[in-house]
Amino acid sequence: DTAVSQTPKYLVTQMGNDKSIKCEQNLGHDTMYWYKQDSKKFLKIMFSYNNKELIINETVPNRFSPKSPDKAHLNLHINSLELGDSAVYFCASSQSPGTADQPQHFGDGTRLSIL
Amino acid sequence: AQSVSQHNHHVILSEAASLELGCNYSYGGTVNLFWYVQYPGQHLQLLLKYFSGDPLVKGIKGFEAEFIKSKFSFNLRKPSVQWSDTAEYFCAGGGKLIFGQGTELSVKP
Repeated sequence: DTAVSQTPKYLVTQMGNDKSIKCEQNLGHDTMYWYKQDSKKFLKIMFSYNNKELIINETVPNRFSPKSPDKAHLNLHINSLELGDSAVYFCASSQSPGTADQPQHFGDGTRLSIL
Repeated sequence: AQSVSQHNHHVILSEAASLELGCNYSYGGTVNLFWYVQYPGQHLQLLLKYFSGDPLVKGIKGFEAEFIKSKFSFNLRKPSVQWSDTAEYFCAGGGKLIFGQGTELSVKP
């Protein structure tokens, strides 16, 4: 009965590779997010989609490209991986586009390690 | 610029001690504040939230938070902590859900 599920849970790869992380939510929410949590546990929003449309695009290298095939899925593709990309990436969803009145539900995270 | 800040980086308590974690926000418009908890190796879970109404908000697991508008604060409290409360605690708010830096709570049995 996982509400927000991400795959894979762990991803170990070499610099320069291209990788994708998938996220799916079964809560019927309209909005999905990607966050990056660094080694100091600092959590920062990267992207947000509402009904498949990009609504938040923070200052993130263009090597990161989100894709939302439908409102229940938001995948993250990363090209030419760099050492600094090592982090835990969390997917989240909420009912409404803004966060003004709805909490977000988080996935378990994908721990990305770049060798 | 919008910001949410947590002043305590790491808090160490003994079981049964009282807890208060500080959170201050800096943004205008509608106030929306949250406290999330992240247990070791797990995802973030919502503890409580405040949008309007009673400034004293009660959440899960015996946690509560008080919104003080004059101080731009939303501190998290628990009267008596348990070892199982050991976790990272995040305050968040604002239109893009800005997160504070997090506070690591270690409870000694």
